[in-house]
Amino acid sequence: DTEVTQTPKHLVMGMTNKKSLKCEQHMGHRAMYWYKQKAKKPPELMFVYSYEKLSINESVPSRFSPECPNSSLLNLHLHALQPEDSALYLCASSQDPGSYNEQFFGPGTRLTVL
Amino acid sequence: DQQVKQNSPSLSVQEGRISILNCDYTNSMFDYFLWYKKYPAEGPTFLISISSIKDKNEDGRFTVFLNKSAKHLSLHIVPSQPGDSAVYFCAATFTGGGNKLTFGTGTQLKVEL
Repeated sequence: DTEVTQTPKHLVMGMTNKKSLKCEQHMGHRAMYWYKQKAKKPPELMFVYSYEKLSINESVPSRFSPECPNSSLLNLHLHALQPEDSALYLCASSQDPGSYNEQFFGPGTRLTVL
Repeated sequence: DQQVKQNSPSLSVQEGRISILNCDYTNSMFDYFLWYKKYPAEGPTFLISISSIKDKNEDGRFTVFLNKSAKHLSLHIVPSQPGDSAVYFCAATFTGGGNKLTFGTGTQLKVEL
C-alpha cells in the first residue's frame, strides 16, 4: 500500500464550526506533514510530526490544531476559522524523518470557510 | 521571501519534443532537491530528486541537472507526452532541516499533439 488517504475530500464550514481533517498512511512512514495550498501557489508547510511527536510548527495560528494519535494517523482539528483559511489542505508522509526521502502526498481536502 | 523560484509560470511543448523546466534557489543551505508533478484535484506526485553532491540524475524520460554555483536546477523530459501536462514544482531541503520542503511557485506544462 503506497497511498496516503485523506478525508473528507471537500468540506464547507462556518466560522463558528469545529471540524477535523483526517489523514492515514500504511507505509510504515515515521514522518507526517500538513501543508496548505492556495490557488496558483505552492504548498506551504504547516506542521511536521516525527515519530508521532510534533517537530515543526511553522507559526500556524492556534485555530489549527494538529494531532498524531499513532504512527499511521494524522488529524488536523479546525476551530473558528476565517474565510482566508479556505484552501487545499494536503497531508504527506515520508519514511525517515532524519534523512532525505521523498514525501508521498494525499489528494487533499478542499476546505471552504463561509 | 521566495527562496525557490520558477520564473516560467507556463510552458507549451509539442509531443515528442523536449520539455525543460527551470528552477532557481537563493538559500545556500539547500542540499537536496526534488521535482513533483501535480494534476488538478490531486496531491503532488514525486518524480525525481538530486543531492548536491551530484550534478545529474536520470530516471527514464526524466533527467534533473543541478548547477550549484548558479543555484539553478532544471528538469528535462524527453520525449514529452500529452500525459505529462501538469503543474511541476521544484522543492528543496537541507541537512538538519527536518525534511522540510520549500516549494517553488510551479510551472504549468502543456504538451500539445
